[in-house]
Amino acid sequence: DIQMTQSPSSVSASVGDVVTITCRASRAVSDWLAWYQQKPGQAPKLLIYVASRLQRGVPLRFSGHRSGPDFTLTISGLQPEDVATYYCQQADSFPLTFGGGTKVEI
Amino acid sequence: EVQLLESGGTLVQPGGSLRLSCAASGFTFSLYGMGWVRQAPGKGLEWVAGLSGSGAETNSADFVEGRFSISRDNSKKMLYLQMNSLRAEDTAVYYCAKEGYCSNTSCYAERKHFDSWGQGTLVTVSS
Repeated sequence: DIQMTQSPSSVSASVGDVVTITCRASRAVSDWLAWYQQKPGQAPKLLIYVASRLQRGVPLRFSGHRSGPDFTLTISGLQPEDVATYYCQQADSFPLTFGGGTKVEI
Repeated sequence: EVQLLESGGTLVQPGGSLRLSCAASGFTFSLYGMGWVRQAPGKGLEWVAGLSGSGAETNSADFVEGRFSISRDNSKKMLYLQMNSLRAEDTAVYYCAKEGYCSNTSCYAERKHFDSWGQGTLVTVSS
């Protein structure tokens, strides 16, 4: 199975800051990686698919990037409504696997 | 608007069985793969099982070990998860999720991405 390692596990930042979350797969997954946002008490929401493509309706301050084996989710200008836990997920092969999550606080 | 409504979660004893259901609406159900993802209390997301739009292809996580079975009834727009030999570690909120993603102009029935989720149903395995 592909293991997903996500860092940091938590981050505290101020409104307007740039926040970057990193995810690495235990083996190559090409661009088959998704990012999800889960707010407290809610179901997850798809933010990014195929590493860098923005899901419809997601604010432009969210972006995804791949550099070699590392994937990053960047929030450019953190907003209060972005307080949530963010998960990466490899979409390369079954069984699908998620990273451990990054809790973003203000 | 896509809607997914899970039901069937409850308290069950270890070794017991349970069937979860997910009622889908707002999209052409038979065209999309579907899956179940669970989340233990205070923990992260864990994929459980998935199947193709036709139901011909199914996949499951290693921990399922033949205990769970995913199925669908496209005529009723329903997704199911039959869970047998339940263990305490199966305690979690179980989410039904639709596979796919959407750009600004088009939507794609691409597997292995989850673009819509239900609100979840809680399964508690305890004596």
